[in-house]
Amino acid sequence: DADVTQTPRNRITKTGKRIMLECSQTKGHDRMYWYRQDPGLGLRLIYYSFDVKDINKGEISDGYSVSRQAQAKFSLSLESAIPNQTALYFCATSDPDRERHTQYFGPGTRLTVL
Amino acid sequence: QKEVEQNSGPLSVPEGAIASLNCTYSDRVSQSFFWYRQYSGKSPELIMSIYSNGDKEDGRFTAQLNKASQYVSLLIRDSQPSDSATYLCAVGDGATNKLIFGTGTLLAVQP
Repeated sequence: DADVTQTPRNRITKTGKRIMLECSQTKGHDRMYWYRQDPGLGLRLIYYSFDVKDINKGEISDGYSVSRQAQAKFSLSLESAIPNQTALYFCATSDPDRERHTQYFGPGTRLTVL
Repeated sequence: QKEVEQNSGPLSVPEGAIASLNCTYSDRVSQSFFWYRQYSGKSPELIMSIYSNGDKEDGRFTAQLNKASQYVSLLIRDSQPSDSATYLCAVGDGATNKLIFGTGTLLAVQP
C-alpha cells in the first residue's frame, strides 16, 4: 500500500462549491504539506503543519483552509471554488529528524473548477 | 526571497548519452539538496539527495554539489527513453524547515 494517499484522485466541480481534498499517511511523519502545481509555475506551498497543533500558511493560502485531524491526516478545503483553482494538488510528508528536509509526495488530486 | 532556478528546457539527448541537469540557488546557508523526477500528471519522486560538496552516485545517477558556487547538478548516464520526465531541483530552507522547489527541467531522451 502507498505510504501517502490522497482522495479523490480526480474531481470536477462548479464555481462556488465547497470542496475537501484529503490526505492520509502511514509513514509516521509529523510534518505534512499541501502544494498546488500549475503548468510553468512549479510547486507552490499552500499550507503546512509541523504537528497536530501547528498549522501555517504557505505562499498561496488565500481561498484555502486546512484541518489536521490527526498525525496521519491533513485535509485541504476550498471554501468557494473558483476556476483559477483548477490545478494538480499534492500532499507531502517529512520527518526532518531522520531525513533532513526530504519530502514524500502523495499521488495527487486533479481538480477542475468549471 | 529565496530562489531555486532551473532551465525549463526541453533538454533533448539521444538514447545512451549523458544528460546534465543544472540548478542554482540563492540561499548561501542551505545544507540539503534534492532531485525529484516527475512524469507528466504524476507526483514528484525523490531520486537523489545530497548534503556535502562533491559527487554522490546512485546507479546511473550522479548528483554534484558546489556550495561555494551555489550550484547543484544531476548527471544521468546511459540515458533511456524512460528517463524522459521533468526533473525538479529542491533546496532545504534551514530557517523555515521547508523545501524550495525550482520550476523543473523537461528532459526528452530520443530513441
